[in-house]
Amino acid sequence: KQEVTQIPAALSVPEGENLVLNCSFTDSAIYNLQWFRQDPGKGLTSLLLIQSSQREQTSGRLNASLDKSSGRSTLYIAASQPGDSATYLCAGGAAGNKLTFGGGTRVLVKP
Amino acid sequence: SAVISQKPSRDICQRGTSLTIQCQVDSQVTMMFWYRQQPGQSLTLIATANQGSEATYESGFVIDKFPISRPNLTFSTLTVSNMSPEDSSIYLCSVEEGLGPGNTIYFGEGSWLTVV
Repeated sequence: KQEVTQIPAALSVPEGENLVLNCSFTDSAIYNLQWFRQDPGKGLTSLLLIQSSQREQTSGRLNASLDKSSGRSTLYIAASQPGDSATYLCAGGAAGNKLTFGGGTRVLVKP
Repeated sequence: SAVISQKPSRDICQRGTSLTIQCQVDSQVTMMFWYRQQPGQSLTLIATANQGSEATYESGFVIDKFPISRPNLTFSTLTVSNMSPEDSSIYLCSVEEGLGPGNTIYFGEGSWLTVV
C-alpha cells in the first residue's frame, strides 16, 4: 500500500527566499506524481504532474523533480512571494488514476 | 482544463440526516472520483464513480453510507447518509481529463459539511 509523507508539515520563509518542499513515497511503482496547492477554504489546484518516466517538470517559478529509486519528489518555488502562501500537497498516482495524498506542507511567506 | 462545479459549497446538517452533493463538469470525462478531507487531514479517496455501473469503493467506505450516482459523463452525486459529527469534512469531486493512465487530475472547490 502506497504511503506518502511530506516534511516539514509547516514552513515559514521571508519573501524572496526559495522554497523547497519534500515528498516521499514508499511504492516506487508509481504512475505519476502530482503537486497541488490548496488555499484556505478552497479546493485543490493542480500545479505540476510528473509522469513516472520523467525526472522533472517546470512551470514558471515552479520546478518539481521525481526520483523513483529513492522514492522522493521535491517541489522548488523560486523567489517566493506572499501570494505563494498556501498548503502544498503531493500525491502519488496508481492504477485507475487513484491518488494517495501526503499530509501537506503549510507554507507562509512573510512580506 | 475541466471546470468542476460542486453544490452545495457549504452546509450545516443535523445529526441523523442525509445530504446529497452534486458534481457537474463542463466536459465529458471518463473518470470521476470522490475524496474526503477531514479537519486538519489530507485527502482520502472514497470511491471511483463509474458511468452506468456501481461505484468502486475504497477500503473503509461502503455504499450504504456513501451512495454514489453517475448517470452520465458530466455529472455525479455523493450522498452522505445518516450523518454524525465524524462526517464533518470537506468532500471533493475530482476528474481525470484525457485518455490513458497518468493524466492530470482536477478538483472541484469542495463541499464543506458540518454536522451538529
